[in-house]
Amino acid sequence: AQSVTQLGSHVSVSEGALVLLRCNYSSSVPPYLFWYVQYPNQGLQLLLKYTSAATLVKGINGFEAEFKKSETSFHLTKPSAHMSDAAEYFCAVSAVTGANNLFFGTGTRLTVIP
Amino acid sequence: NAGVTQTPKFQVLKTGQSMTLQCAQDMNHNSMYWYRQDPGMGLRLIYYSASEGTTDKGEVPNGYNVSRLNKREFSLRLESAAPSQTSVYFCASTERTSSYNEQFFGPGTRLTVL
Repeated sequence: AQSVTQLGSHVSVSEGALVLLRCNYSSSVPPYLFWYVQYPNQGLQLLLKYTSAATLVKGINGFEAEFKKSETSFHLTKPSAHMSDAAEYFCAVSAVTGANNLFFGTGTRLTVIP
Repeated sequence: NAGVTQTPKFQVLKTGQSMTLQCAQDMNHNSMYWYRQDPGMGLRLIYYSASEGTTDKGEVPNGYNVSRLNKREFSLRLESAAPSQTSVYFCASTERTSSYNEQFFGPGTRLTVL
């Protein structure tokens, strides 16, 4: 079975500081992993996805994530936080059979302090 | 393109009332999903439709029914609403059921059951 764990339900960073949001996965097969962002009162928008082509994945808005099989991790980073990055971030792993639905983590709310 | 649209945006029901949440996509996607989002729990799959004419249960289907009306539309029905169904409901679609395909999400329906 597939699952993800997001460490830290709330993360605060200063504007211009490094953003690091943590995600660890559990999967019995090579996983497909996703990061989504949710702005207040909106749906989820894809930031980036890992589909085994490259371990370092670049996404939109300057975010990137590195797949580390040895650590079963897929942490999301951004070198310099902007105020507009304040949102909730979800890590997800895709089911490999049946619905191929996404199994989501519980989310990390990012606050950016001016 | 509007992407994935959902109606209504907000709804308040009394216990025992029924209602249908509507979802439509204009991306010619084959697969559609209904998720619910609860605080601290991420999103969980209620039902999905891999293709027009098929529907199947997800992780939390009890108390819900679905209809894949045509390729564009996928509705979720609550026959007798309960307070435990207070949640934010998201519809999503993808080109076809696959582990690596991105899912596109609607803006959500915020439902309160009193």
